[in-house]
Amino acid sequence: QSALTQPASVSGSPGQSITISCSATSSDFGVNNHVSWYQQHPGKAPKLMIYDVDYRPSGVSSRFSGSKSGNTASLTISGLQAEDEADYYCNSYTTSNTYVFGTGTKVTVL
Amino acid sequence: EVQLVESGGDLVEPGGSLRLSCAASGFTFSSFWFHWVRQVPGKGLVWISRISPDERTISYADSVKGRFTISRDNAKNTLYLQMNSLRAEDTAVYYCARDLFAYHDYWGQGTLVTVSP
Repeated sequence: QSALTQPASVSGSPGQSITISCSATSSDFGVNNHVSWYQQHPGKAPKLMIYDVDYRPSGVSSRFSGSKSGNTASLTISGLQAEDEADYYCNSYTTSNTYVFGTGTKVTVL
Repeated sequence: EVQLVESGGDLVEPGGSLRLSCAASGFTFSSFWFHWVRQVPGKGLVWISRISPDERTISYADSVKGRFTISRDNAKNTLYLQMNSLRAEDTAVYYCARDLFAYHDYWGQGTLVTVSP
């Protein structure tokens, strides 16, 4: 049950777009679309941002989008805003009937 | 309004036991799967366990299998995590989260468990 691999940090200026990758070392990740993304501000509980690879829950800004290709999923934040500064985690349901989170990415708005 | 409120976190000695609770409100508790997720302060999220509405399907991460037990009381709208043989590396904030088709749509605020002599 190794964690999914994410870059430790990504940064961008306000208004720019950034992309966070999430990679698996096994084929488990690549055979289903149960990939989700969570935003976590310091001291707060995680918040669901994307589910099933590219669906946004009600209330989440359209600036957030998801995609997947093979064993790599991605979260893109367009029109970066100061409030987007947070930690982001991907998550996948595995064929072992367990779940695994990514290592987490700290997004900094310059 | 959906609410999940964890409780039971405490300071416990290595080898000790603790039971966490997650009280749910604002939805039909008995219809949903639930998870426990933990986070060492300053570190990443780690999935721990999942339980089906009828308790017939349960899964655990290898790191807690055989030591932790997830359960629920649908009459009390409460999720539990019984933690035995606690180790220093179990020190973390523990979150409960509701499952909706393999993603976690609502989370509690977390409860801190500290394992230390």
